Amino acid sequence: EVQLVESGGGLVQPGGSLKLSCEASGFTFSGSAIHWVRQASGKGLEWVGRVRNKANNYATAYAASVQGRFTISRDDSQDTTYLQMNSLEVEDTAVYYCTRNVPTTPNWFDAWGQGTLVTVSS
Amino acid sequence: DIQMTQSPSSLSASVGDRVTITCRASQGIRNDLGWYQQKPGKAPKRLIYAASTLQSGVPSRFSGSGSGTEFTLTISSLQPEDFATYYCLQHDSSPPTFGQGTKVEIK
Repeated sequence: EVQLVESGGGLVQPGGSLKLSCEASGFTFSGSAIHWVRQASGKGLEWVGRVRNKANNYATAYAASVQGRFTISRDDSQDTTYLQMNSLEVEDTAVYYCTRNVPTTPNWFDAWGQGTLVTVSS
Repeated sequence: DIQMTQSPSSLSASVGDRVTITCRASQGIRNDLGWYQQKPGKAPKRLIYAASTLQSGVPSRFSGSGSGTEFTLTISSLQPEDFATYYCLQHDSSPPTFGQGTKVEIK
């Protein structure tokens, strides 16, 4: 069974940092790209960024709203992806989900984690 | 970025009704579109991929159609468990972008 499990959310002050993790199981993690998507309370889904697989040089991309503040990385030996969030703003408060796509397959955002809540507040 | 315009933003319907939700892309995206259902406090669940292919395990009352810039999700006979928010997602070009969502409520 394909599973993604996020962790690391919590309460942080504006300007602070937080690192989220997304642990995968049930599929070939190293062949997948992993994306982060967030959802503020009562709002829609917003793509945050992604890290591609080794064959695609672990290329990263980010939404304009987080560019320069967030960094996505991965450890294929641990089947885990990380989202390092720095200079956090109140507007970053949201549930953060990880999801996957497997290149050249229909598996685009077909599996999601349960989400982890990040609250940025003083 | 490709803009996905989803309509309506909300609708009220009764059990047994036929429901149609539309997504319009700001430029052609071939059939690189998925439909998702989200219930409160839960992660999105994929219903349709490649615009019209039903995800395994999803009831056949859900169907998708379209290509290029116009897409629809149809629920042929609304069931109590279908009251939720629905999103479209395009992944034809980066960044992937979502529609604003359609909340389906009980009339």
